[in-house]
Amino acid sequence: IAGITQAPTSQILAAGRRMTLRCTQDMRHNAMYWYRQDLGLGLRLIHYSNTAGTTGKGEVPDGYSVSRANTDDFPLTLASAVPSQTSVYFCASSGGQNEKLFFGSGTQLSVL
Amino acid sequence: GQNIDQPTEMTATEGAIVQINCTYQTSGFNGLFWYQQHAGEAPTFLSYNVLDGLEEKGRFSSFLSRSKGYSYLLLKELQMKDSASYLCASLDSNYQLIWGAGTKLIIKP
Repeated sequence: IAGITQAPTSQILAAGRRMTLRCTQDMRHNAMYWYRQDLGLGLRLIHYSNTAGTTGKGEVPDGYSVSRANTDDFPLTLASAVPSQTSVYFCASSGGQNEKLFFGSGTQLSVL
Repeated sequence: GQNIDQPTEMTATEGAIVQINCTYQTSGFNGLFWYQQHAGEAPTFLSYNVLDGLEEKGRFSSFLSRSKGYSYLLLKELQMKDSASYLCASLDSNYQLIWGAGTKLIIKP
């Protein structure tokens, strides 16, 4: 693993199903983030974690949950997917509050 | 409210120079980032400005005026591979990034 890895790359999901998007980094970064990106809109923060064991809500947290059991992993769970959650999801990490973000390659999620 | 404004789309010619503007209104300010995002790919870091002035990195330069809430990204000697979206993001007083919608840059031969 080099950098930050997301899985799956893409997924088609039936509405109402549960889904977990995985994110792993090997840079020992304290801060990790989940964003969604929709056409015509800027990146919107879903949840973040400043350090292992802590999480916080971003701009659009409803319908999503996260956990940060260790430094490397930051999974995002959709408990019961809805079509409005169709989007591209990016996981990112950074070494500090004003440090640049490193992004994973993204997950294209379609909820039907 | 917090807001980032940048043009939706720009077109430029290969070999030319283009300036992409960004204005921001955020609660406090801890710096301004520019990222490049090719279609279907993740954003990648280009620059970070926290002090007023111009910072040059090869063909790319970034400028910041804190008093005007204004930044621009200057791309020189444009190449076809510079066709991408350019994202402006301001770091607010809580160290949260506020993102613009991005400027899609189209390079024509």
